[in-house]
Amino acid sequence: EVQLVESGGGFVQPGRSLRLSCAASGFTFDDYAMHWVRQPPGKGLEWVSGISYNSGSIAYADSVKGRFAISRDNAKNSLYLQMNSLRPEDTALYYCAKDTGVQYYYYIGVWGKGTTVTVSS
Amino acid sequence: DIQMTQSPFSLSASVGDRVTITCRASQSISSYLNWYQQKPGKAPKVLIYAASGLQSGVPSRFSGSGSGTDFTLTISSLQTEDSATYYCQQSYSTPQTFGQGTKVEIK
Repeated sequence: EVQLVESGGGFVQPGRSLRLSCAASGFTFDDYAMHWVRQPPGKGLEWVSGISYNSGSIAYADSVKGRFAISRDNAKNSLYLQMNSLRPEDTALYYCAKDTGVQYYYYIGVWGKGTTVTVSS
Repeated sequence: DIQMTQSPFSLSASVGDRVTITCRASQSISSYLNWYQQKPGKAPKVLIYAASGLQSGVPSRFSGSGSGTDFTLTISSLQTEDSATYYCQQSYSTPQTFGQGTKVEIK
């Protein structure tokens, strides 16, 4: 069974950092691009970042560019999101998601359950 | 960035009704348009990919159409389990963007 399990969320003060992890199983991780998508409480979905199968292509939403960094470790079947200089508007449920292709231009076929990040003083 | 605009924001319809949700892109995205369904407390689930491709396991009452800037998601005969929020998403260029969502309620 294909599974994505996020971890690393929590409560953090503005300006601090947090690192999210996503453990993948049930598929050949290095055959697929991956994404992070977030959803603020009671609001819609926002694409955060995408990474190709071999980390050769990476892209970010304008709202996180320069503050967040996506990475993957194919040997560990894991995806990461390093979040720096966090702001209250980064408060959201963060989903790890698997694309259906090697690049992130196809569609998201599998989603994790999400990990919650709360940024507040 | 490409803006995705969905309409309506919400709708209420009866079981058996035909329901149509539209999504408009601020510039041409060819057929790089996907539709997702999200139920409360759950992760989204893909229904339609590449504008008109039906994801495996999704009931055939769901269909998608369109290309360029205008797209449509149709539920041919609304069922109670279709109560959810529906999002369109463009994967044509980065940053990828979602529509604001359409909440579908059952009368």
